[in-house]
Amino acid sequence: EADIYQTPRYLVIGTGKKITLECSQTMGHDKMYWYQQDPGMELHLIHYSYGVNSTEKGDLSSESTVSRIRTEHFPLTLESARPSHTSQYLCASTAGGPSYRFNNEQFFGPGTRLTVL
Amino acid sequence: KQEVTQIPAALSVPEGENLVLNCSFTDSAIYNLQWFRQDPGKGLTSLLLIQSSQREQTSGRLNASLDKSSGRSTLYIAASQPGDSATYLCAVLPSNDYKLSFGAGTTVTVRA
Repeated sequence: EADIYQTPRYLVIGTGKKITLECSQTMGHDKMYWYQQDPGMELHLIHYSYGVNSTEKGDLSSESTVSRIRTEHFPLTLESARPSHTSQYLCASTAGGPSYRFNNEQFFGPGTRLTVL
Repeated sequence: KQEVTQIPAALSVPEGENLVLNCSFTDSAIYNLQWFRQDPGKGLTSLLLIQSSQREQTSGRLNASLDKSSGRSTLYIAASQPGDSATYLCAVLPSNDYKLSFGAGTTVTVRA
């Protein structure tokens, strides 16, 4: 079982503010992901990382940026928040390699619900 | 591009009835298939993972089958309970990448 932490769980901010959504995992997973999900809608991959200093954009274009300086930490930043960024942001990581029973099983954090006024 | 479809989009059953949720995918070159549960406003909880070489996985009242050649998986939930009410998503991991392709989910309501 993987432990993935996301902070804050809820965030309400004004337009134009810079925000960072935190995501960390304690299992040493090399692969981490950020998804965006509007209420009742599908998940969309916005960023992913396969290791330290490696980040890629996902299928859905996003104005956010990410960094991966440490294996366990994968923060997402919005330089200037807008109402269109209002959504739920979900972080995930994947176990892989011969030491895991279920290779490449993906685990999710609890999510951050962002509201931009 | 892998397309994952879940039918039906919503399902309402009385308590005690067995649930059958369907997932289909277009590209059979998969590494594994994973079933998740999502409660409103929450993250996803992994329920079952089936490797491409397996035909089924079981956990308690849950059983998931996989027919890779026909591009189908089915999640069975026996003797449903109101606490089973949630959205269930399936996702496939391709054999040549580490990014999951998700279905849109089936929203289940179990009536007491």
